[in-house]
Amino acid sequence: AQSVSQHNHHVILSEAASLELGCNYSYGGTVNLFWYVQYPGQHLQLLLKYFSGDPLVKGIKGFEAEFIKSKFSFNLRKPSVQWSDTAEYFCAVNPAGRRALTFGSGTRLQVQP
Amino acid sequence: DAGVIQSPRHEVTEMGQEVTLRCKPISGHDYLFWYRQTMMRGLELLIYFNNNVPIDDSGMPEDRFSAKMPNASFSTLKIQPSEPRDSAVYFCASSLGFAADTQYFGPGTRLTVL
Repeated sequence: AQSVSQHNHHVILSEAASLELGCNYSYGGTVNLFWYVQYPGQHLQLLLKYFSGDPLVKGIKGFEAEFIKSKFSFNLRKPSVQWSDTAEYFCAVNPAGRRALTFGSGTRLQVQP
Repeated sequence: DAGVIQSPRHEVTEMGQEVTLRCKPISGHDYLFWYRQTMMRGLELLIYFNNNVPIDDSGMPEDRFSAKMPNASFSTLKIQPSEPRDSAVYFCASSLGFAADTQYFGPGTRLTVL
């Protein structure tokens, strides 16, 4: 079965710092990749997704992610974080053609003003 | 569009009681998913439906859990009898059935079993 690893469980940054959150998955076939964000007290929202094409994907609020197939990775980046980015970030995968998502354990990001 | 609607938002019950969680997917979506989120296990898929038919229930923890989707606009997740280890946030999500789609999540139901 596929699995998703997010190695950073809790990240603390100051405003304007750059962010990179790691995501690795274990599945040998074609996959669709997602990053979801959960702001405090809110439900999960889609940040960005990769299905095919350009491996550098741009999402909302200045986030981007790069799919590196050889490394089975889909890391999330943002050049300059804001206090409002404080949230929990989840990487998710589903094999192409399947519906169910497998989520990583999440990374809690805390941005200090 | 109102998005995915879940009720109740919070539920506190005692061990042994029956709990029913409800979900209304986005109109027109033909896939519906139930997830559970806990500190220990993160987000886990419990079951999902396509056109009201359960497709994969391998994530349902045990026979105490059951889910139904009697029509395209309503689904329930029932726990009977409930146990303290069932305490979690239960999310419902829906999606539209074409390739490589996005799931839209509801606000979740926070369940506390005392």
